[in-house]
Amino acid sequence: DVKVTQSSRYLVKRTGEKVFLECVQDMDHENMFWYRQDPGLGLRLIYFSYDVKMKEKGDIPEGYSVSREKKERFSLILESASTNQTSMYLCASSLNRPYNYGYTFGSGTRLTVV
Amino acid sequence: QKEVEQDPGPLSVPEGAIVSLNCTYSNSAFQYFMWYRQYSRKGPELLMYTYSSGNKEDGRFTAQVDKSSKYISLFIRDSQPSDSATYLCAMKTSYDKVIFGPGTSLSVIP
Repeated sequence: DVKVTQSSRYLVKRTGEKVFLECVQDMDHENMFWYRQDPGLGLRLIYFSYDVKMKEKGDIPEGYSVSREKKERFSLILESASTNQTSMYLCASSLNRPYNYGYTFGSGTRLTVV
Repeated sequence: QKEVEQDPGPLSVPEGAIVSLNCTYSNSAFQYFMWYRQYSRKGPELLMYTYSSGNKEDGRFTAQVDKSSKYISLFIRDSQPSDSATYLCAMKTSYDKVIFGPGTSLSVIP
């Protein structure tokens, strides 16, 4: 069964900490994505990557950065965590094809910044 | 106007009811249409995938696309309590990113 694995289900961090969220996929997918999901706001794209060492800003990149050193791994970095970054973070991956059957999502990381 | 619109609900129906979930969109270039189901505290999972206009059936689920009206629907027959979840419509052009609707929360009451 294809999988996207996010390293933590729940995280609690302090304001100002540097936070790393890790995502690994085992499907040899080219594309990887980071979203945050908040009630009433839906899924909002933070960053995405179409290839190793490549990254593109999504709709809300401020306060975040990403790293993709290997095809299977896409990391989201909160440079200095703030309380407004408390959210559910979802990683997804997909094939780089027009008929790619959409995205496969991980189970999410619920991050609380105190 | 948002690119994809969806009534957030919540929608509450009795067990066994037929459920209709809908989305409208503005970009006529969308060709691929999807429905995702998201259980509480989980990531979304792909439920249905259709290309262009028409209907697609999978068990109790039917996805319908009307490109002329820019309107897509998901029908759930004989709804079950296990169908209680948030349903997100999603769509894309050939190589572009998937655009998600905000989701409709559904509760099926036993």
